Amino acid sequence: ILNVEQSPQSLHVQEGDSTNFTCSFPSSNFYALHWYRWETAKSPEALFVMTLNGDEKKKGRISATLNTKEGYSYLYIKGSQPEDSATYLCALEEAGANNLFFGTGTRLTVIP
Amino acid sequence: ETGVTQTPRHLVMGMTNKKSLKCEQHLGHNAMYWYKQSAKKPLELMFVYNFKEQTENNSVPSRFSPECPNSSHLFLHLHTLQPEDSALYLCASSQGGGGGLNEQFFGPGTRLTVL
Repeated sequence: ILNVEQSPQSLHVQEGDSTNFTCSFPSSNFYALHWYRWETAKSPEALFVMTLNGDEKKKGRISATLNTKEGYSYLYIKGSQPEDSATYLCALEEAGANNLFFGTGTRLTVIP
Repeated sequence: ETGVTQTPRHLVMGMTNKKSLKCEQHLGHNAMYWYKQSAKKPLELMFVYNFKEQTENNSVPSRFSPECPNSSHLFLHLHTLQPEDSALYLCASSQGGGGGLNEQFFGPGTRLTVL
């Protein structure tokens, strides 16, 4: 079992604030880093898949960066909206592995 | 809508009951997964099927029995469960076959309560 850590565990922000959270992972056999957004009572939804060191991906107000050498990824949300409230999961994919190793997630609540 | 459906969405069962969870994917994928999500724990992989063959059993107790009759359907048969088995059970699918990114698509889960 690999240790994929996410921080903080939970976060409350005011509508309009920007925020970010961290995913750290062992980097020795890295293949890809996945970010998912999971709203209550719905399916986890893929946000990004990142493979290259220094990679940066963006989808609307949400972006993510990746550092494979030091083993971390940041997820940024600019101008948070109440509909951004969800749990954000990261998952490590190792080379040759048939599965993903998930962190415990960061639960974001955006207060109107 | 991720293309992965799960039924039932909620299930309450006694420790002596036998029940089954069903997952169906409409994405043409070849790999399917069962995960368990307990409070304040990461998603725990239970089983992996690749082209209908079980390729991973993550030390899951035998009271959980998976079945994959074809690439689109995955079942989890439950019998003589314990209260600590109460959790959210998620199904996922991916392209499978190795050699590429393992992007997984999830169902909404079955919330299981064992009394």
